[in-house]
Amino acid sequence: DAKTTQPNSMESNEEEPVHLPCNHSTISGTDYIHWYRQLPSQGPEYVIHGLTSNVNNRMASLAIAEDRKSSTLILHRATLRDAAVYYCILRDVTGNTPLVFGKGTRLSVIA
Amino acid sequence: DAMVIQNPRYQVTQFGKPVTLSCSQTLNHNVMYWYQQKSSQAPKLLFHYYDKDFNNEADTPDNFQSRRPNTSFCFLDIRSPGLGDAAMYLCATSRVPRESRPQHFGDGTRLSIL
Repeated sequence: DAKTTQPNSMESNEEEPVHLPCNHSTISGTDYIHWYRQLPSQGPEYVIHGLTSNVNNRMASLAIAEDRKSSTLILHRATLRDAAVYYCILRDVTGNTPLVFGKGTRLSVIA
Repeated sequence: DAMVIQNPRYQVTQFGKPVTLSCSQTLNHNVMYWYQQKSSQAPKLLFHYYDKDFNNEADTPDNFQSRRPNTSFCFLDIRSPGLGDAAMYLCATSRVPRESRPQHFGDGTRLSIL
C-alpha cells in the first residue's frame, strides 16, 4: 500500500483556519486521496476525497499539489467540535481495497 | 439515524471465554469490514466481506473469526480472548466498486478482558 506521512499533532485556535498536511510521495496515478476523522469515542467518519483537482464540501476543502505528492486538508474555521484525529489515506480508483489507516494527526482546538 | 449499528457499546468478558460482537447496517452495502483499534493507535483491518466472499488479513490472529449470515449483519467471534485483545472493535460498510463511496463506520464496541 502507498503510504502517507502526517504530523503527529497540531493545535489551532477556535474560529481560525487549520491546514493539515499530508505527504504521499509514492502515490500512484490511480490513487485517490481520502481524509477521514475520528472524534473521541466515535468511529471514523468520511471528510473529503480527491484525485487531482482541489475539492470543497460542507466540511472542508482539499488542496492537492500539482505533482500529487502532497495534499492539505483545510478547515476554514475550526470549532471545538473539530478536535479529532485526522487520517489521510490513499485508496485506489476502484474502491475495492479497504481503508488502511496510518497514525493520523491529532488536532487540538483551543477556545 | 444510525446506519451502522454496533451492539453492545461496551462488552466485558473473561480471559479465555468466547465472545461475539455484532454489527448491523441499514445501508444495504455489499462490503462489511472489521477493524481493531487499541488505545492511542490507528484502526487496524482484521477482515472484510465482499458480499459473501471472506477476506482475511494475513496478520489477523486465528483466534478471530467472522460470520456474515446476510447482507445486514456481520459478527466478530473471538474464540479465546487474551488480555491483548482488549480494544475498540469497529465495524464499517461500503458499496464498491466505486472510489467515491466512503466507508461508513459504527461507533464501535469497546471490549474489556478480565
